[in-house]
Amino acid sequence: DAGVTQSPTHLIKTRGQQVTLRCSPKSGHDTVSWYQQALGQGPQFIFQYYEEEERQRGNFPDRFSGHQFPNYSSELNVNALLLGDSALYLCASSSTISGLHEQYFGPGTRLTVT
Amino acid sequence: AQSVTQLGSHVSVSEGALVLLRCNYSSSVPPYLFWYVQYPNQGLQLLLKYTSAATLVKGINGFEAEFKKSETSFHLTKPSAHMSDAAEYFCAVSVPFSGGYQKVTFGTGTKLQVIP
Repeated sequence: DAGVTQSPTHLIKTRGQQVTLRCSPKSGHDTVSWYQQALGQGPQFIFQYYEEEERQRGNFPDRFSGHQFPNYSSELNVNALLLGDSALYLCASSSTISGLHEQYFGPGTRLTVT
Repeated sequence: AQSVTQLGSHVSVSEGALVLLRCNYSSSVPPYLFWYVQYPNQGLQLLLKYTSAATLVKGINGFEAEFKKSETSFHLTKPSAHMSDAAEYFCAVSVPFSGGYQKVTFGTGTKLQVIP
């Protein structure tokens, strides 16, 4: 049973560029949440997707957007990258059936903005 | 709004000694509480969770935590530290959100160092 997978593992971008990160949820999960973890900090909630719609959002600007596909996989897009966007981006999946509070995390994508 | 406070950003223990990582939470409704562990350059792994059943929760790798409502605490313990326990530990609180969803808030983490 594959867990949560994320791609790419590492990414280096330049200020002003755009980036897309990808996540495949754990088998049987239908909800995907994205978190930003800056160096030395705890994960900060960006948004959550269910049934291909954004269901709730944290305190992040509109430069951060996402998408969920019919197979429950998800993308996180960040436009107009800033140096401060450098962080580990974590995807977590959960199930509306077994309980949304129990989240399984992927290994993350390390984004470096130069 | 809910919040989590982890006391001590760094904790050092000797191998074989007791591990105690502190977590206090704030929530206006009964919360779910979690401890996660993160090894360098990896994602978060769930250690244990409290979901309103038994107040003493046992997790993986010999860790356990006790939910104390009166103290709004959910401290993580392990009787005997192993070198492999060196990692960063995050406490998290989850509460019901509008639309039936859960809002998860993480603490800032505690780095555990195990000294041989």
